[in-house]
Amino acid sequence: EAGVAQSPRYKIIEKRQSVAFWCNPISGHATLYWYQQILGQGPKLLIQFQNNGVVDDSQLPKDRFSAERLKGVDSTLKIQPAKLEDSAVYLCASSLDQGSASYEQYFGPGTRLTVT
Amino acid sequence: GNSVTQMEGPVTLSEEAFLTINCTYTATGYPSLFWYVQYPGEGLQLLLKATKADDKGSNKGFEATYRKETTSFHLEKGSVQVSDSAVYFCALSDRQTGANNLFFGTGTRLTVIP
Repeated sequence: EAGVAQSPRYKIIEKRQSVAFWCNPISGHATLYWYQQILGQGPKLLIQFQNNGVVDDSQLPKDRFSAERLKGVDSTLKIQPAKLEDSAVYLCASSLDQGSASYEQYFGPGTRLTVT
Repeated sequence: GNSVTQMEGPVTLSEEAFLTINCTYTATGYPSLFWYVQYPGEGLQLLLKATKADDKGSNKGFEATYRKETTSFHLEKGSVQVSDSAVYFCALSDRQTGANNLFFGTGTRLTVIP
């Protein structure tokens, strides 16, 4: 079974530029999560989708971050414009169903973003 | 609110030593508790979990018991190996909020030397 795929793996941009990250969850997984992991900290949820609907985006800085999952499969996370403090690893995770006992989250390898 | 406090690292042990990584939590409801592991160059992987009080999660020789009275979920292993070198994250999920998002601790880096 293929895991969660993310691209790119690394990205370096200057502040005020824009950037986009892509995630392809495990086939059949209804729930998709984006986490931000700043160096030395644990991952923090940015947004959670159930199919193509948003379940929780309370921690997403909506003035600069946006995310979509239009067809309920792939997802894109965008930052525009980027700030220095956005330097982090962006993790995508998926789970079979948020409401059932099968809610283990499977994580992708992450995208390491450096903003200079 | 929900939060996880984890033993600060880094932790360095000799092979076959006993490991304990402390984890305590604060939750508004009835959380499920997890330990995730991140090996060098790899993504986060679920190591073990417990969904209710007094449950013991175990995997690959690691164990953790959900202690509601002390709000703890300490990770233990009787004899560590070099291959256990990784970063370990304690996390909770509070399904009462309607979502299943995970709240993570800051991580503990373990290095096992031969």
